[in-house]
Amino acid sequence: GQSLEQPSEVTAGEGAIVQINCTYQTSGFYGLSWYQQHDGGAPTFLSYNALDGLEETGRFSSFLSRSDSYGYLLLQELQMKDSASYFCASTGYSTLTFGKGTMLLVSP
Amino acid sequence: DVKVTQSSRYLVKRTGEKVFLECVQDMDHENMFWYRQDPGLGLRLIYFSYDVKMKEKGDIPEGYSVSREKKERFSLILESASTNQTSMYLCASSHTDSSNTGELFFGEGSRLTVL
Repeated sequence: GQSLEQPSEVTAGEGAIVQINCTYQTSGFYGLSWYQQHDGGAPTFLSYNALDGLEETGRFSSFLSRSDSYGYLLLQELQMKDSASYFCASTGYSTLTFGKGTMLLVSP
Repeated sequence: DVKVTQSSRYLVKRTGEKVFLECVQDMDHENMFWYRQDPGLGLRLIYFSYDVKMKEKGDIPEGYSVSREKKERFSLILESASTNQTSMYLCASSHTDSSNTGELFFGEGSRLTVL
């Protein structure tokens, strides 16, 4: 089976830095993806890590450690528009298995 | 602008009705997926298809079937809708090499209520 664990909710203030952790237990693991979903909207792709280490895309960075079956999404210089749900997903050969999501609340 | 389009944004059906959810993508993607999303449960894979007329069960296929007669279109069918199928249904697509990118393209979702 496949399972991913991530916190259900995280709160931070504007301008702050927040880290959303994800641990996984999956078979046939290719990599770890992150998605953002605003309330009422479609999930949108943020990043993908196939190799260990940090990938940076603007204010967002994602990290993977295969040996620890662990990854995280780092959001810097938080803005109100970053309030959304964030999902980690393990990528297999042809499918993705998603975690239950972390709701990020950014306060003024 | 690349797009995955789901035919109905909101549907209300009665228990026992047959329900069709349609999804069309314009990116010439090989893979298409149906997920359902419920509060606290995240996205769960119902069925996916990696080619025309091909289908594979996901994690929760019971009560559902799918059809892929054309590459761009993937339909989800509820043969006899039940109240526990009230949910948000999300269609997605990807290229065959999505294992190298982890990127799915999602539609806006179809919110189904079964009374």
